[in-house]
This record gives sequence, structure tokens and C-alpha cells, in this order.
Amino acid sequence: SQTIHQWPATLVQPVGSPLSLECTVEGTSNPNLYWYRQAAGRGLQLLFYSVGIGQISSEVPQNLSASRPQDRQFILSSKKLLLSDSGFYLCAWSVTTGSYEQYFGPGTRLTVT
Amino acid sequence: AQSVAQPEDQVNVAEGNPLTVKCTYSVSGNPYLFWYVQYPNRGLQFLLKYITGDNLVKGSYGFEAEFNKSQTSFHLKKPSALVSDSALYFCAVRDTRNSGNTPLVFGKGTRLSVIA
Repeated sequence: SQTIHQWPATLVQPVGSPLSLECTVEGTSNPNLYWYRQAAGRGLQLLFYSVGIGQISSEVPQNLSASRPQDRQFILSSKKLLLSDSGFYLCAWSVTTGSYEQYFGPGTRLTVT
Repeated sequence: AQSVAQPEDQVNVAEGNPLTVKCTYSVSGNPYLFWYVQYPNRGLQFLLKYITGDNLVKGSYGFEAEFNKSQTSFHLKKPSALVSDSALYFCAVRDTRNSGNTPLVFGKGTRLSVIA
């Protein structure tokens, strides 16, 4: 069966510090991968998605970036965090055939102080 | 373009009563429709999906959803609510005309509170 991992689970970082969040998927090959941010337990904001290694689509201009160095690894980064980057970050994967439903990781709670 | 609307930010229901969480959608072609649930500080969990066929779809934890093409709706239902059903619920849609690489479009979420 497929599983998706995210780490760390929680993170407290000062303004201006760098960020690296990691997401890995097991049990599937060539998945589509997604990064979302959720503020205050409400709606999802799609940040990036990837359909293959090195292929990244950005949905929202911001100081975040994403990379996919391996087939089942998706990394979210920032060089300098802003207070507004605080939130709950969710990684998801989907199959690339059929109905394409997405499956989500457990999330990372980021607090920028 | 594809979109989905969840018209209620909050739904309150007494334990044991039936519950409905509403969702309407807009697509150019035919829809794939999904419901997810999110408990506090957790990721979204897939509940059920409509692809084709029977308009009534049954999913996890006793939930079901009814696809209504004429009303472009996909409401989530459960005959008897439990306190443990209290959570945030998201509806999502994909237009079958879009590439499979196009992400799902999610609604803003509806918070369900089941009161004992």
C-alpha cells in the first residue's frame, strides 16, 4: 500500500531564517505531487505541483520554492521566511490514471516568530 | 474552468440526527467529485468519490453522497451523526476534460459540529 510522509511535524522558525520541508511517498511510482498551505484551519491554497522529476508548476507567486530531486520526494523551501508564511503545510500525491484522487500527508505546522 | 462551492461555513447537528454538508460544482465537461475530511492538526482523509454510474456513492465511516447532475450538486450525507464526526469537510472536483495532471479544485471547507 501507499504511504506519504512529511517532516518535521512541527517547526518554529524566526523571521528571515531558511526553510526546508520534506515529503516522500512510498509504494507508488511516478506520482503527481502537490504542496498546499492551510491558514487557520480553513481552505487549502495550492502552492506547487509536480508531474515528474524536475518539473514544478507554481500556482502562487511568493518567497517559497519547490523541488523534486527524486521521483517520490518533494521539497518545499524558502531562503528567508516571513511572518505570513506561518501555517499548516500539506503534501499530497495522486495517481496519474483513472480518477486522480489525491492522498494527503499528515502535515507540518510552521510558526514563524 | 472548474470550481466548487460549499455554501455553509458551519453546520451544527445533534447527535443521532441526519446530517447534510452541501457542495455544488461547475465544470465544462463531466465531473469527478470527491469528499475529504480533516480532523484537527491532521491531513485530509479521502472519504468517497463519484466517477460514473450510480448517483448514490457510499464511502467510509457511514458517509454517502448523492450526485445530482441537473442541480450540479454533490451533497455529503449521513443518516445518524456521531460526535466523532465533528471535523472540517472538503468537497473537490476535477473536470474530465482536463488533463490528469491538473490538480483537484477544493471548496473552502465546511466545519461540522455534532452536539451530544
